[in-house]
Amino acid sequence: DQQVKQNSPSLSVQEGRISILNCDYTNSMFDYFLWYKKYPAEGPTFLISISSIKDKNEDGRFTVFLNKSAKHLSLHIVPSQPGDSAVYFCAATGPGAFNKFYFGSGTKLNVKP
Amino acid sequence: ETGVTQTPRHLVMGMTNKKSLKCEQHLGHNAMYWYKQSAKKPLELMFVYSLEERVENNSVPSRFSPECPNSSHLFLHLHTLQPEDSALYLCASSQDVQGGDTEAFFGQGTRLTVV
Repeated sequence: DQQVKQNSPSLSVQEGRISILNCDYTNSMFDYFLWYKKYPAEGPTFLISISSIKDKNEDGRFTVFLNKSAKHLSLHIVPSQPGDSAVYFCAATGPGAFNKFYFGSGTKLNVKP
Repeated sequence: ETGVTQTPRHLVMGMTNKKSLKCEQHLGHNAMYWYKQSAKKPLELMFVYSLEERVENNSVPSRFSPECPNSSHLFLHLHTLQPEDSALYLCASSQDVQGGDTEAFFGQGTRLTVV
């Protein structure tokens, strides 16, 4: 049973516009959410995170929004750049004995020049 | 230095072979993980080690055998694999196993092909 879902396998946006990547989760116990970025032939790299006590976290061009009631989070990239083209993974984790990360299947972002 | 280093980057092996994947982290972390990424599927957690002790095994077949000789090194020993085991195997580390607000740092992965 997939607890973190990214329903859009791909997204294409024009350079300079906003990219919005979405993620849904089912486990209400999750209290920390992360976005990872993955280039081809490389492992995922941490991008930005948000704790469940917040509804927004911003880092430069990247902003993550969390809607706990809807169990939904999104990553906004403004303005999008061609170098942002990669696969983006949403991940979630929660309290408990083990720091287990639950990942979505990823969204491939293509930013066109 | 990337922090988490995996070797080899690519591996092709027959179903009767025995091989090992290696992971090394230079971050002083206490927890290390093996993940499997198959095409168009979420990352799957395979094994978790905390301070060299295995703390989680997510129902992984016995043909995958992990080894953690110290907190900086993690191995995944492979034997009699199946073609469906072909995937990208990622190693990760984090400061601790417990707690929710710890991000994991990933290696570049080993692309495994079983023929």
